[in-house]
Amino acid sequence: AQSVSQHNHHVILSEAASLELGCNYSYGGTVNLFWYVQYPGQHLQLLLKYFSGDPLVKGIKGFEAEFIKSKFSFNLRKPSVQWSDTAEYFCAVIPSNDYKLSFGAGTTVTVRA
Amino acid sequence: DAGVIQSPRHEVTEMGQEVTLRCKPISGHDYLFWYRQTMMRGLELLIYFNNNVPIDDSGMPEDRFSAKMPNASFSTLKIQPSEPRDSAVYFCASTQGGSPYNEQFFGPGTRLTVL
Repeated sequence: AQSVSQHNHHVILSEAASLELGCNYSYGGTVNLFWYVQYPGQHLQLLLKYFSGDPLVKGIKGFEAEFIKSKFSFNLRKPSVQWSDTAEYFCAVIPSNDYKLSFGAGTTVTVRA
Repeated sequence: DAGVIQSPRHEVTEMGQEVTLRCKPISGHDYLFWYRQTMMRGLELLIYFNNNVPIDDSGMPEDRFSAKMPNASFSTLKIQPSEPRDSAVYFCASTQGGSPYNEQFFGPGTRLTVL
């Protein structure tokens, strides 16, 4: 079974700082990769996803992620965060022949105004 | 579309009682998923359905948990009897089949507290 590791449990930043959240997965085959976000009191929403092609994926709200196959990583980045980016961020993986999403433990991001 | 609808949004019950959580997927979606979110275990997939048929229930914790999908627009997750360790947020999600790459759309969740 695949597993997903998120390196940071809680990240605290000031507005305009750059953000990078680490995500590594363990699975030997082809995977689909996702980042979901959960704003306070809201349900999970998709930020971006990767299936194939350009390993640098751009998502909503200025977020991007880079798939590095050799490192089994799919790190999330944003050059300049805003207070409204305060949320919990989840990396998730699905094997290409399955529908079972495996989530990482999540990273809570707090952006100070 | 109203998105995935879950009810109730909050449920407080006493240990031993039966709890039923409800989900209405997005119209036209043929996959439905039930997840549980806890501080200790994070987000876990409990079970998922395709065209109303349970495909994988390996995540269901024990026999106290059961899920049904009598038709394409309704699913239930039942816990009987409930225990305090079942306290969690339960999410329902749906997607349109054809590719696992398709986004799963999540409902707002049901926060269950078992006293």
